[in-house]
Amino acid sequence: QKEVEQNSGPLSVPEGAIASLNCTYSDRGSQSFFWYRQYSGKSPELIMSIYSNGDKEDGRFTAQLNKASQYVSLLIRDSQPSDSATYLCAVSGSGAGSYQLTFGKGTKLSVIP
Amino acid sequence: NAGVTQTPKFQVLKTGQSMTLQCAQDMNHNSMYWYRQDPGMGLRLIYYSASEGTTDKGEVPNGYNVSRLNKREFSLRLESAAPSQTSVYFCASILGGVGTDTQYFGPGTRLTVL
Repeated sequence: QKEVEQNSGPLSVPEGAIASLNCTYSDRGSQSFFWYRQYSGKSPELIMSIYSNGDKEDGRFTAQLNKASQYVSLLIRDSQPSDSATYLCAVSGSGAGSYQLTFGKGTKLSVIP
Repeated sequence: NAGVTQTPKFQVLKTGQSMTLQCAQDMNHNSMYWYRQDPGMGLRLIYYSASEGTTDKGEVPNGYNVSRLNKREFSLRLESAAPSQTSVYFCASILGGVGTDTQYFGPGTRLTVL
């Protein structure tokens, strides 16, 4: 059974601080990694994707991938109250499972004004 | 361009009743998915359809059936609803495989089984 693990939180950070969200996964063959944001009562929306080791930056968001350690992280700089949401880590399967995403249970982030 | 639409938005069933959740996408996507989301459990894949004419089981298929009616539509059927199927159901679609494309989600169906 493929597993994706995240700290459930809640993670509380003050406005303007850096929020750091972490995710580990079990399938060494996974090639694609995603971070989704989900506001309460809404559907998930993609905020970052990463496919190779290293960092990928998009505005205030940076995704980091280390395949050797089977670890993905998301950094949110200059956190805003509007960033308060649950963040879901998702990992693609390998081989025949490449059409499937396995999601973590999510980390709830609260940004305190 | 409506994206991914789901009907109904809310539904209450009694144990043993049946119903079909409808999903449609207008983005000409090949692959479609049904997930359920329970508190503290994240999203779990029920069934998916990699392309028109094919369907495959996901992590939690028991108690459900699906039909890929055409390229646009992918329905989820509960033949005999049970309280354990109380959940929020999301449909999603993607152009190809999940490897390089964005998966778009519908707004969800909130189902309660009494």
